[in-house]
Amino acid sequence: GENVEQHPSTLSVQEGDSAVIKCTYSDSASNYFPWYKQELGKGPQLIIDIRSNVGEKKDQRIAVTLNKTAKHFSLHITETQPEDSAVYFCAASRGSSNTGKLIFGQGTTLQVKP
Amino acid sequence: NAGVTQTPKFRILKIGQSMTLQCAQDMNHNYMYWYRQDPGMGLKLIYYSVGAGITDKGEVPNGYNVSRSTTEDFPLRLELAAPSQTSVYFCASSADRAGYEQYFGPGTRLTVT
Repeated sequence: GENVEQHPSTLSVQEGDSAVIKCTYSDSASNYFPWYKQELGKGPQLIIDIRSNVGEKKDQRIAVTLNKTAKHFSLHITETQPEDSAVYFCAASRGSSNTGKLIFGQGTTLQVKP
Repeated sequence: NAGVTQTPKFRILKIGQSMTLQCAQDMNHNYMYWYRQDPGMGLKLIYYSVGAGITDKGEVPNGYNVSRSTTEDFPLRLELAAPSQTSVYFCASSADRAGYEQYFGPGTRLTVT
């Protein structure tokens, strides 16, 4: 079945530096790739997503890139701030052909040191 | 809008007991999902629903049951609780068949001893 691998499992950066989290997926039919941020004791919150007809998407300090040929996608956070500290999850889905069922990566704990 | 709400927030069950985790959303979303999150792991789909009266299995359905009698509510039933069901359970909803922009509830932390 579909598998999503996420790396690294932990990431520590200095405030102001950039952070990059990478995910690879196995199902070539996947066409929707969201990223979620989970703060301690809370549910995941969607921060950005990308669909397979797009190679890159930006939203202020956050960007996601997608390489469908290599079956990997990445989250880029620039000018990191302490409030960016959280667990980040990537996910992949076949979209409407699979009723939106998401397959999640294992998560990356990001620590931004002030 | 309250979004997606879940009750209870915490629960301890003894092995063999049963319980129902409640989930409700006020966004009129047709699509609803139940996930479990084990320590240090990503979320795994238990069951999902595409509308009132329609449910289907996800990746890890064994030991669980669901029902969907209204658009708003999607309860998850645990029968004969086992230690392997110790986890954090999240409910989510989406307006889109493709599952775009799933909104998650705050979760229920369940311990089975």
